[in-house]
Amino acid sequence: EIVLTQSPGTLSLSPGERATLSCRASQSVSGNSLAWYQQKPGQAPRLLIYGASNRAAGIPDRFSGSGSGTDFTLIISGLEPEDFAVYYCQQCGSSPRTFGQGTKVDIK
Amino acid sequence: EVQLVESGGGLVQPGRSLRLSCTTSGFTFGDHSMSWFRQAPGQGLEWVGFIRNKGSGGTIEYAASVKGRFTISRDDSKGIAYLQMDSLKTEDTGLYYCTRGFNSPQYWGHGTLVTVSS
Repeated sequence: EIVLTQSPGTLSLSPGERATLSCRASQSVSGNSLAWYQQKPGQAPRLLIYGASNRAAGIPDRFSGSGSGTDFTLIISGLEPEDFAVYYCQQCGSSPRTFGQGTKVDIK
Repeated sequence: EVQLVESGGGLVQPGRSLRLSCTTSGFTFGDHSMSWFRQAPGQGLEWVGFIRNKGSGGTIEYAASVKGRFTISRDDSKGIAYLQMDSLKTEDTGLYYCTRGFNSPQYWGHGTLVTVSS
């Protein structure tokens, strides 16, 4: 089973600042099949990035994903008020599909 | 518009069973694999399992935590995916989501709450 470790656990930033979220895998993610989701309280997760670097439909270009192998990054280039949420990475390259424990981005 | 609606959740005693349904609309159900995920209260996301569409072999995979107790099935004529949950444990408590697809699913339902408690 691939274990995903996200850091930091909480990121306290102000609107307009840049957020950098990390997701590290215990072994290489097959095909760089790494996704990022955003979840707000009371809502289902929202797919942001798939295949490590591809934005899902309708996702603003301030969200970008990068990385390969075992190290992946989600960058939000300028935080909007609606971006304060919890972010999860998930690997889809092998079973069992696994998630990181999440990074909470909150308002400083 | 793609829609996924989960139903069937509720309060159940440990050891009992529950069947969840995921009713879909807005797309050709038989062309897509379907997945189930769950989220315990205040916790992160957990993959439960998926069922491929018939064109991809119809195979099913489960997380180790539910294998042997949960069964995923589908009715392509009705556009519904099911999650049969047997021998429920208190740790199965959570919000259960269905999704279209199994790799980086974009479409999620709003979830149905399952509470396992005596």
